Amino acid sequence: AQSVTQLGSHVSVSEGALVLLRCNYSSSVPPYLFWYVQYPNQGLQLLLKYTSAATLVKGINGFEAEFKKSETSFHLTKPSAHMSDAAEYFCAVRFFNDYKLSFGAGTTVTVRA
Amino acid sequence: SQTIHQWPATLVQPVGSPLSLECTVEGTSNPNLYWYRQAAGRGLQLLFYSVGIGQISSEVPQNLSASRPQDRQFILSSKKLLLSDSGFYLCAWSTTDTQYFGPGTRLTVL
Repeated sequence: AQSVTQLGSHVSVSEGALVLLRCNYSSSVPPYLFWYVQYPNQGLQLLLKYTSAATLVKGINGFEAEFKKSETSFHLTKPSAHMSDAAEYFCAVRFFNDYKLSFGAGTTVTVRA
Repeated sequence: SQTIHQWPATLVQPVGSPLSLECTVEGTSNPNLYWYRQAAGRGLQLLFYSVGIGQISSEVPQNLSASRPQDRQFILSSKKLLLSDSGFYLCAWSTTDTQYFGPGTRLTVL
């Protein structure tokens, strides 16, 4: 069955430290992959997306993600965390020939001063 | 550029009352439209999606319904709200591979 998994429901990092959020998918055909960010009581904002072009994708706010077909992963990273990065992050997958997005359960990021 | 609006932003309703949430999109034509719900601890749940006027697909059986009376208008309704309908309701649109989300409506059913 097709699915998407985010490892770790909560991640705490120090300001200036690396942010790494993990996302794995299960599909025989490489899907479209997305990362969204949600601040409290707001909608989801697109951070970046992979749609079968370059495997290293750069997004907004200094985030980037790398598509690794062999590992069926699309992990999100940011070299240096800022306080403003505190939010919930969702990995989402659009499987082949499907209108819908499948979302991971989300990862809440806390940034320590 | 495209924009998506949702209203109201917040709503407190008693159990058994009706519901109408509205979503409109500007700056695009014939978008796919989606309603999602975020309930505490349950992630994002797709409720309905629409590929055109009058075309609604339901993902989860429940006491909610959706309608699309105009190309860029999507409405979520209920005749009688339940406590379990509380949550954060998000509307989204797409024309290609990417979905873009509105600001959301916080619904509290008491």
